[in-house]
Amino acid sequence: DAKTTQPPSMDCAEGRAANLPCNHSTISGNEYVYWYRQIHSQGPQYIIHGLKNNETNEMASLIITEDRKSSTLILPHATLRDTAVYYCIVNTDSWGKFQFGAGTQVVVTP
Amino acid sequence: GAVVSQHPSRVICKSGTSVKIECRSLDFQATTMFWYRQFPKQSLMLMATSNEGSKATYEQGVEKDKFLINHASLTLSTLTVTSAHPEDSSFYICSAIGEAGRGYGYTFGSGTRLTVV
Repeated sequence: DAKTTQPPSMDCAEGRAANLPCNHSTISGNEYVYWYRQIHSQGPQYIIHGLKNNETNEMASLIITEDRKSSTLILPHATLRDTAVYYCIVNTDSWGKFQFGAGTQVVVTP
Repeated sequence: GAVVSQHPSRVICKSGTSVKIECRSLDFQATTMFWYRQFPKQSLMLMATSNEGSKATYEQGVEKDKFLINHASLTLSTLTVTSAHPEDSSFYICSAIGEAGRGYGYTFGSGTRLTVV
């Protein structure tokens, strides 16, 4: 069973920041939070991951609460090409299985 | 970065025939590969985990005699759908991770759209 809970859908205006929440209240101390996205009919694409500190890369920022029970993925300036299903996954950094939940369908509108 | 190539991207086959899907890690050695299946408007469902040189481990409810997985080398895993039926029509996706990628998540292939007619 997936260990995360995400809203099923979210709309965002082009050029604005998109804040995608994820609850992972049962996360273990050695589990990372990973974010992937899947554009229609393609394989999932890695976005970012973190353990407990906030992380930023060229695609997004990841904010993890101090108790690590939830996190937020931030797309700073959403574009139409960011329309996709976004998946939040918790997993160890070893050979554990990646289990996908339902994800959040993000639609960026002009 | 790590690249995983999946082939073919689309395949149509007749009911009762077998179809082989290849998953290759192009620039790293993949000690572990995963196979997923995705039905329309649904999330990815893990089918099996394969480690190079050993038998695959299948998730509950996945028929191992129907979905044959071979991981004979560190860069290639294959999924063969045997005696395919229309209900096997789906989007099949592989993912891989190697030692160098540990801690950095899994790289996914672009998927194979299987249609059984």
